[in-house]
Amino acid sequence: RKEVEQDPGPFNVPEGATVAFNCTYSNSASQSFFWYRQDCRKEPKLLMSVYSSGNEDGRFTAQLNRASQYISLLIRDSKLSDSATYLCVVNSNSGYALNFGKGTSLLVTP
Amino acid sequence: EPEVTQTPSHQVTQMGQEVILRCVPISNHLYFYWYRQILGQKVEFLVSFYNNEISEKSEIFDDQFSVERPDGSNFTLKIRSTKLEDSAMYFCASSEGYTGGGTEAFFGQGTRLTVV
Repeated sequence: RKEVEQDPGPFNVPEGATVAFNCTYSNSASQSFFWYRQDCRKEPKLLMSVYSSGNEDGRFTAQLNRASQYISLLIRDSKLSDSATYLCVVNSNSGYALNFGKGTSLLVTP
Repeated sequence: EPEVTQTPSHQVTQMGQEVILRCVPISNHLYFYWYRQILGQKVEFLVSFYNNEISEKSEIFDDQFSVERPDGSNFTLKIRSTKLEDSAMYFCASSEGYTGGGTEAFFGQGTRLTVV
């Protein structure tokens, strides 16, 4: 089983739509969870950390279900600038490494 | 805004040659990392470095690879004898604290290594 699994997409949505991404992870001991964003051929950039109680940052909402080892990201009112690959990231057993999913590609169209 | 900087942005090398990829982490950060991303694949962890020693390394980080922090600002990745399959984007990252505790890791813009 892969450490972090994501639906690769692509998700093609119109501007203003709501879109949800899901991710599962295999290491039940993981303590830190993140969503990173990666634009084409660029470095990953932190979008938001994911907390057990769920958290929201503007149009973005992240949720964590430890029992199911499942993380989600909801984007409301999609903008053209949201077009990117969204990476689900979970820390390793030791905590020093980040394990990345392969990413979910989002294209927001006018 | 402080950022991680990497040089060069693109390096082409012949198979069997040694390459050194250079990084300047954010100045007050204590944890340093190298990751790589083969085209079309996921970002993969190579090595983490803390307190002047390797704190964790992946299976990819074999004897061909080494890291060094030669002074107070630079962090380097050396590949001794490059192979075709080493062609990838190499990202340096740094963090103020331990990512296992939820601290954000900041990534440099990457060095694209092409082995011919």
